[in-house]
Amino acid sequence: DIQMTQSPSTLSASVGDRVTITCRASQNIDTWLAWYQQKPGKAPTLLIYKASTLEDGVPSRFSGGGSGTEFTLTISSLQPDDFATYYCQQFNSFSRTFGQGTKVEI
Amino acid sequence: QVQLVQSGAELKKPGASVKISCRASGFSLRSYVIHWVRQAPGQGLQWVGWINGDSGTTKFSQNFQDRVIITRDIYANTVNMELNGLRSEDTAVFYCARFYYDRSGQPLNAFDIWGQGTKVTVSP
Repeated sequence: DIQMTQSPSTLSASVGDRVTITCRASQNIDTWLAWYQQKPGKAPTLLIYKASTLEDGVPSRFSGGGSGTEFTLTISSLQPDDFATYYCQQFNSFSRTFGQGTKVEI
Repeated sequence: QVQLVQSGAELKKPGASVKISCRASGFSLRSYVIHWVRQAPGQGLQWVGWINGDSGTTKFSQNFQDRVIITRDIYANTVNMELNGLRSEDTAVFYCARFYYDRSGQPLNAFDIWGQGTKVTVSP
């Protein structure tokens, strides 16, 4: 199975900060990567697919990049609504593995 | 409204089975692949498996393949997941999620619609 490793596990930041989360794949996954946001007690919501395409309705302060084995999710100016946990997920193999998550906290 | 609506919380004993349903609203299951994801308390997301809503073909994670069954009822527009041999680590929220296609039917390789989650508690 392809392993997905996110860093950091926890990120402390303030409103207005630029934050970047990294996701590394154990093997080449091209750009078959999605990012999700999850808030406590809620289902995840899709932010980005194909590594860098913003889902409809997602604020433009979110952006994704990378290909192959290294990917990033960047929030250009952190807003109060962005404090949540973020997950990457690979779609290169039939086993759709997730990263372990990055909690963005105040 | 396009959504996935899951069945309610379950309390089961170790070794028992649980069956969770996921009803599609606003779209036909026959046009999509539906996945299942497990999330233990305070933990991350773990992919369980998927079913093709048209053909009924299924694929499972190696971690679950020996004890999970996923079926669909096209008339009820519903997918069901049955997990057997429940263990304490199955105490979790289970989500169904729709695989994302664009308007021309091209796969976008993401989960665009998620159910609200079903909490399963395994306790003696």
